[in-house]
Amino acid sequence: NAGVTQTPKFQVLKTGQSMTLQCAQDMNHEYMSWYRQDPGMGLRLIHYSVGAGITDQGEVPNGYNVSRSTTEDFPLRLLSAAPSQTSVYFCASRSSRLGSSYEQYFGPGTRLTVT
Amino acid sequence: QQQVKQSPQSLIVQKGGISIINCAYENTAFDYFPWYQQFPGKGPALLIAIRPDVSEKKEGRFTISFNKSAKQFSLHIMDSQPGDSATYFCAARIQGAQKLVFGQGTRLTINP
Repeated sequence: NAGVTQTPKFQVLKTGQSMTLQCAQDMNHEYMSWYRQDPGMGLRLIHYSVGAGITDQGEVPNGYNVSRSTTEDFPLRLLSAAPSQTSVYFCASRSSRLGSSYEQYFGPGTRLTVT
Repeated sequence: QQQVKQSPQSLIVQKGGISIINCAYENTAFDYFPWYQQFPGKGPALLIAIRPDVSEKKEGRFTISFNKSAKQFSLHIMDSQPGDSATYFCAARIQGAQKLVFGQGTRLTINP
């Protein structure tokens, strides 16, 4: 069981470039989410998905797109990177089945720098 | 109001001492309050969690104290060890919702 995996671990982008942060989980979890972590701001929810084909916005969705074509994968797309998107990005998943715990499992993170 | 306010932002405790981190909330619809622990370069991991129908939960050296009337909850780490040095996040979940709202985080340093 690999849990939640994220690639890449590090990325440097120039302003205006696009890229996709990959996230995959092998626990058959229905719920997946993306957070960004900035000093003094905690973890802020960008987008989340309650199942394949269903996504919704979190508290800081601007500048990011997501899709969920399979249960396992939940990529995060930056269409035109801005310096304000410099952050550490975490993907998380958890089971939504009745009786399951509410524990979210986090990936190891992607550290993104936009210059 | 979906915020969770966490304090202090950073905390230094001597080895063997008690570390206390506090969180406050406004939304009475929150029904699940976890604490996550994050080591440098790693993702957060669930440490301990509580529901509002109990006032305290203890797991080893870690205890959550919950005050429903004051809308506050706190993490106590007894006999703090250098290996406890990490960033700690409190969080809350709205009843019936999927997502968690996180506090700002506390960077805890335990001096040997």
